[in-house]
Amino acid sequence: QSVVTQPPSASGAPGQRVTLSCSGSSSNIGSNTVSWYQQFPETAPKLLIHSNNQRPSGVPDRFSGSKSGTSASLAISGLQSKDEADYYCAAWDDSLNGPVFGGGTKLTVL
Amino acid sequence: EVQLVESGGGLVQPGGSLRLSCAASGFTFSSYWMHWVRQIPGKGLVWVSRINADERRTGYADSVKGRFTISRDNAKNTLYLQMNSLRAEDTAVYYCARDLFGAASMDVWGQGTTVTVSS
Repeated sequence: QSVVTQPPSASGAPGQRVTLSCSGSSSNIGSNTVSWYQQFPETAPKLLIHSNNQRPSGVPDRFSGSKSGTSASLAISGLQSKDEADYYCAAWDDSLNGPVFGGGTKLTVL
Repeated sequence: EVQLVESGGGLVQPGGSLRLSCAASGFTFSSYWMHWVRQIPGKGLVWVSRINADERRTGYADSVKGRFTISRDNAKNTLYLQMNSLRAEDTAVYYCARDLFGAASMDVWGQGTTVTVSS
């Protein structure tokens, strides 16, 4: 069981905005930046957001990240069928002295 | 093209050893922290180990501490994971990943290599 918690599933209709949540503690999200990853079945994860709200080159601006205290969120606007994937948050954990991943949220586009 | 390619996975008996390699190309390998992350099929991502750019500092998840050793050869642009005393619960897909800032921001991932520990 991960020390960073994500709801196991979320869903939304095409065109809608969905928000995925990520809850941690003072040793990880509370004191370090958050990254978000997108993963399709049988493929490697892809970095979507780093430094809480920064998008790497090539990531659409439909994806946005935010952080407040020991929680973080990933918002996806204009939901598309191709967004159906697993999403993971991650942050450095000062107690672990390494990164910790959330358990992941499976996003279904209805 | 920036790329990471893992190799070395396979089937090994419990208690056995395996060494994974991750060949980097298309970027200055020696400038980046590197990680190993594993994933049991159908389950979530789990961080395994990391090594700083200067090869001097390493870190391990509690579940592999004392059994796994991460290393790198910056002259060969290659990352390694020596896995000893393997257990069934080490069965997973193992990814190597480049870290942008030395935090949890892994921007380049390999395709993964599968390790199966079974008798």
